Amino acid sequence: QSVLTQPPSVSGAPGQRVTISCTGRSPSIETNYDNYDVHWYQQLPGAAPRLLIYGNSNRPSGVPDRFSGSKSGTSASLDITGLQAEDEADYYCQSYDSTLGGYIFGPGTKVTVL
Amino acid sequence: EVQLVESGGGLAQPGRSLRLSCVVSGFSFDDYVMHWVRQAPGKGLEWVSGISWNSGRVGYAASVKGRFSMSRDNAKKSLYLQMNSLRVEDTAIYYCVKDIGYRTSSFSYGMDVWGQGTTVTVSS
Repeated sequence: QSVLTQPPSVSGAPGQRVTISCTGRSPSIETNYDNYDVHWYQQLPGAAPRLLIYGNSNRPSGVPDRFSGSKSGTSASLDITGLQAEDEADYYCQSYDSTLGGYIFGPGTKVTVL
Repeated sequence: EVQLVESGGGLAQPGRSLRLSCVVSGFSFDDYVMHWVRQAPGKGLEWVSGISWNSGRVGYAASVKGRFSMSRDNAKKSLYLQMNSLRVEDTAIYYCVKDIGYRTSSFSYGMDVWGQGTTVTVSS
């Protein structure tokens, strides 16, 4: 069982806003001793993943500002505003697992554009 | 242009070994943390292993610890994953991935560049 939880799927019409949640439990995202950043990745069908958000809310160059991230406590979220057909993909959150000593991924959320 | 090119994938029988390689270009390889991430058919992403810029720290997922060994050769700008005692459940696309972390042994900054992956199939 993943220590990061995401909804299996979300959907929206073109132009709408969708939000994907990522909830962590110790030993990830937040423990009694530390806070860990959350990162988000987009994976289009048949393609390698692409970094969308790093450090909770930072966008790499080239990522449209329709994508935004936030984190509060043990939860993080990815917002997609002005949904477009090309946003149809799988989205994964990622954080650090202090017991594992490495990264962990959420199970992924499939975004469908209606 | 930043590029990560994996090789070495293929078909292997359970219990056998494979060695994956990744050659990089377009950035200062010896300054960055690097990882292997895999994705089984129809499944999500799984972090496999990570290595700090100077090889001072190497970490493994519980599912591969003791069977897989990750290394790097900074002079050759290359990353390796030695996979021993392969199991059917190791079947996946294996991605070579660059971390954002610069000259650190921390695996927490995010992964900003991904290769196209190499496919490993373990089957009798």
